[in-house]
Amino acid sequence: EAQVTQNPRYLITVTGKKLTVTCSQNMNHEYMSWYRQDPGLGLRQIYYSMNVEVTDKGDVPEGYKVSRKEKRNFPLILESPSPNQTSLYFCASSRSGSTTGELFFGEGSRLTVL
Amino acid sequence: SQQGEEDPQALSIQEGENATMNCSYKTSINNLQWYRQNSGRGLVHLILIRSNEREKHSGRLRVTLDTSKKSSSLLITASRAADTASYFCATDSRDRDDKIIFGKGTRLHILP
Repeated sequence: EAQVTQNPRYLITVTGKKLTVTCSQNMNHEYMSWYRQDPGLGLRQIYYSMNVEVTDKGDVPEGYKVSRKEKRNFPLILESPSPNQTSLYFCASSRSGSTTGELFFGEGSRLTVL
Repeated sequence: SQQGEEDPQALSIQEGENATMNCSYKTSINNLQWYRQNSGRGLVHLILIRSNEREKHSGRLRVTLDTSKKSSSLLITASRAADTASYFCATDSRDRDDKIIFGKGTRLHILP
């Protein structure tokens, strides 16, 4: 089954404790992206990757890191989480980033930073 | 910054009625897409309309695009309880390196 898998789905952590949210897709998609969703603000792009070893900042990259060492994986790293990073995070992938850009989304990772 | 803005923010209608949601955007686009999100779940792609298309249908969904007004509408006919969800438009813009940008969404509630 074609899917985007995120882990963990739920996480409560404390300020400053490094964490990684994993994202994996099995569709051989070139494009992958991370979004955060907050009430009243919609989805905002954090980082995206057009292909292996190519990553770019989205609209809200501060406090986050990503890597794209393999085509299928695109982990989101919070080196020193802060309470303002409490949010619902979505990973998405697509065959291409733009003109054929139907995005496939994971089920989301709800992160709470205390 | 947001490219698409949906209108209304929230909409409640009776089951069986038609639901119309609108999306306005600011810059030239390649494509416009509509997505559905059930509460707290991942977004699901509904339909994509290209900038050179004016109307597109998929089942009970009808999407129109007016590039002169920089707006799109999503019509859901004969609404069902299962249509209760948030609906987002997303655009990719030549002016923003073709990145896909989402609006804030319309919350649709279908009343039994």
